[in-house]
Amino acid sequence: IAGITQAPTSQILAAGRRMTLRCTQDMRHNAMYWYRQDLGLGLRLIHYSNTAGTTGKGEVPDGYSVSRANTDDFPLTLASAVPSQTSVYFCASSYTAGDYEQYFGPGTRLTVT
Amino acid sequence: KNQVEQSPQSLIILEGKNCTLQCNYTVSPFSNLRWYKQDTGRGPVSLTIMTFSENTKSNGRYTATLDADTKQSSLHITASQLSDSASYICVVSDGGYQKVTFGIGTKLQVIP
Repeated sequence: IAGITQAPTSQILAAGRRMTLRCTQDMRHNAMYWYRQDLGLGLRLIHYSNTAGTTGKGEVPDGYSVSRANTDDFPLTLASAVPSQTSVYFCASSYTAGDYEQYFGPGTRLTVT
Repeated sequence: KNQVEQSPQSLIILEGKNCTLQCNYTVSPFSNLRWYKQDTGRGPVSLTIMTFSENTKSNGRYTATLDADTKQSSLHITASQLSDSASYICVVSDGGYQKVTFGIGTKLQVIP
């Protein structure tokens, strides 16, 4: 069982370019999340999905979009990357959107130049 | 505004020693509190989860305590090992995962 995987592991991206970060889980979890982690700040929620077909905005959604076409996949897209989006991005999932444990992926380190 | 504050920011201890990490929160209403361990270059991994009615929970050498009245939690690590070197993150929920507040974390380094 792989759990939750993310791709790519790291990426250097020119400002203005479009980028999709991939996230896949094989635990059949209903809820999935995207966070960013910056030095000196706690993890911040970008977008979430309580179940396939639904998505919602988190604390810092601007400049990002997500989709949830099926249970397993939850890609995060940066339509036009800016340097302030340089960060480490973590995808997570939980059995339901209620108070259950979250499982995190290994992260994607993104640098926007 | 919901806040989670952790102390100390960083800590260095000798292998085999015990240590205690602190977490104070102002999240309201309170649903549950989690401690996560994050190794360098990896995603966080859950250590413990406590609800309002629980005041202590153990996971091996890790013991978390919760005082919901004072809104404080601590994570005690017993007989530390080199593999305990990581960041420890306190996370408080007010009832929904889209309403979770993360602390910045305490960076622990265990040295031989």
